[in-house]
Amino acid sequence: GAVVSQHPSWVICKSGTSVKIECRSLDFQATTMFWYRQFPKQSLMLMATSNEGSKATYEQGVEKDKFLINHASLTLSTLTVTSAHPEDSSFYICSAGELAFESYEQYFGPGTRLTVT
Amino acid sequence: GQNIDQPTEMTATEGAIVQINCTYQTSGFNGLFWYQQHAGEAPTFLSYNVLDGLEEKGRFSSFLSRSKGYSYLLLKELQMKDSASYLCAVKDSNYQLIWGAGTKLIIKP
Repeated sequence: GAVVSQHPSWVICKSGTSVKIECRSLDFQATTMFWYRQFPKQSLMLMATSNEGSKATYEQGVEKDKFLINHASLTLSTLTVTSAHPEDSSFYICSAGELAFESYEQYFGPGTRLTVT
Repeated sequence: GQNIDQPTEMTATEGAIVQINCTYQTSGFNGLFWYQQHAGEAPTFLSYNVLDGLEEKGRFSSFLSRSKGYSYLLLKELQMKDSASYLCAVKDSNYQLIWGAGTKLIIKP
């Protein structure tokens, strides 16, 4: 199957600083990438959908000025958490897929655990 | 609104069979996915159903009834490593995945 990587796998930062998380599709071109957040013992929450070369589409309640998403190429999307606060501590997971009208499987990255102190 | 329901938690015995149910109400339907997620890890793909019926893949099988808005994941010959959360997700008319909250499966020896 296709491989998606994320970097870093975990990060600790101080409140008020910004953190950038990278998501890469290693062996395929991802026209669409998804960013999820998952709090302990809860399901995945879609934050935003990004298509290469265009602005991301954010889900309701997700602050686009706080969670900056850039999908500059077919293999790389980045999520920047700006002015992070302790409540932003979570498990952030990206996934990538090729947009098709038939079944397409989302390939998930291994996730990034963010802790804001 | 869109809704996917799964049991929160289930317990089963090693070597046994367990069935995890999923019911859904979504705006349109373009397929149903099952994912496995171990604690602290990202989800991994298990199965995909778009037509009614049973799809078998090794120890895991997935069933779909579109008229009933119902699916189940069947796990046979349970192993301790099957302890994980199992996520049901439906692709709606906009091809967006709607996720269930997941079912935590606990396997006991």
